[in-house]
Amino acid sequence: AQSVTQPDIHITVSEGASLELRCNYSYGATPYLFWYVQSPGQGLQLLLKYFSGDTLVQGIKGFEAEFKRSQSSFNLRKPSVHWSDAAEYFCAVGSPNFGNEKLTFGTGTRLTIIP
Amino acid sequence: DAGVIQSPRHEVTEMGQEVTLRCKPISGHDYLFWYRQTMMRGLELLIYFNNNVPIDDSGMPEDRFSAKMPNASFSTLKIQPSEPRDSAVYFCASSPAVGQGNQPQHFGDGTRLSIL
Repeated sequence: AQSVTQPDIHITVSEGASLELRCNYSYGATPYLFWYVQSPGQGLQLLLKYFSGDTLVQGIKGFEAEFKRSQSSFNLRKPSVHWSDAAEYFCAVGSPNFGNEKLTFGTGTRLTIIP
Repeated sequence: DAGVIQSPRHEVTEMGQEVTLRCKPISGHDYLFWYRQTMMRGLELLIYFNNNVPIDDSGMPEDRFSAKMPNASFSTLKIQPSEPRDSAVYFCASSPAVGQGNQPQHFGDGTRLSIL
């Protein structure tokens, strides 16, 4: 069964500082990987996805993530955070197999930005 | 284009009452998902449909929960009778079916349900 671990429940970063949110997955083959962001009172918005090819993927809002097969990781990064990045971030893993369209989400990392 | 539309945004009702949550997926999307989000359990997949047919309902907590998708543009999640432990935010999401495997899911803004 596929699973996702986000080891950091809460991270606080100063505005303008760099950010890295960790995500580790468990899956028998190369999975599909996603990062979503959730602002208060809203649904989840897709930041970026990895299906295959280049292991460094670019997303919206200046975010990027790197797939590292050897570490079973898909960490999210941003070189300089903005106050508007304060939100909850979810990593998710999916199967490339037709007929198994479920996504498994991590428990989320809450990001707080301080001035 | 309109995104996934859920209604109502907020629902407060008394224990034992029937609750119906509604979802309109993005036009042309073949998959529809219902999730429940709580502080304790995070984001849980309840059920998902492909072309209006339920594919996996293993996440539905018990028989009090039921979901239908009578056509490609509408789905309901019903709880009858409702209990206080059903209080949560319920999300609907949809995705296209292009190629194989997962495509990104597009989420609605959710229904915040409170059962008193």
